[in-house]
Amino acid sequence: ETGVTQSPTHLIKTRGQQVTLRCSSQSGHNTVSWYQQALGQGPQFIFQYYREEENGRGNFPPRFSGLQFPNYSSELNVNALELDDSALYLCASSSGLAGGIDTQYFGPGTRLTVL
Amino acid sequence: GESVGLHLPTLSVQEGDNSIINCAYSNSASDYFIWYKQESGKGPQFIIDIRSNMDKRQGQRVTVLLNKTVKHLSLQIAATQPGDSAVYFCAENRGGGSNYKLTFGKGTLLTVNP
Repeated sequence: ETGVTQSPTHLIKTRGQQVTLRCSSQSGHNTVSWYQQALGQGPQFIFQYYREEENGRGNFPPRFSGLQFPNYSSELNVNALELDDSALYLCASSSGLAGGIDTQYFGPGTRLTVL
Repeated sequence: GESVGLHLPTLSVQEGDNSIINCAYSNSASDYFIWYKQESGKGPQFIIDIRSNMDKRQGQRVTVLLNKTVKHLSLQIAATQPGDSAVYFCAENRGGGSNYKLTFGKGTLLTVNP
């Protein structure tokens, strides 16, 4: 167990709706990264938050947005849901070593189904 | 773009055999590489990592080899056990030293036969 938790575990939405997914980082970690994993694919980087600021973004449209809170937990928000947004959404936390490279530890994911 | 679907490379081994899972990466600027194991319905689990200034690193029953000349990474699992059955992903840090953006390969499905 990594200590990274995500909620909810599963979620079903319809096209056009909005969704908020939540992640609690591992104790001592100040960096949270979000990934989307479609069925049969590797995770795709969405964005990363470091000390409440966005610290890099992948090739996802603006309707994917996020937040990080002072306790370093994070939210991923997706507006105007599309069928292709159906995927496993993974959150990973890391210690954010300044100038260094540190390991990202993943939570169990939230399975989002868009109908 | 990437192909879509469930066509993962697969590796089937007998319990007790050694397994070798290979991965090719494309960015010569990548300086950090990680292997993750993902069981069905779970998030990726960290196995082992290696930095670009090394060519080999060993863990418990696992070894990662890095060949920067041909941009190739491999994961060796000794005495493979049924619990090792999972999808294995290699990931590279393409941030040129930045902490963000792990880029994952397609994954290899390892099946261990008892």
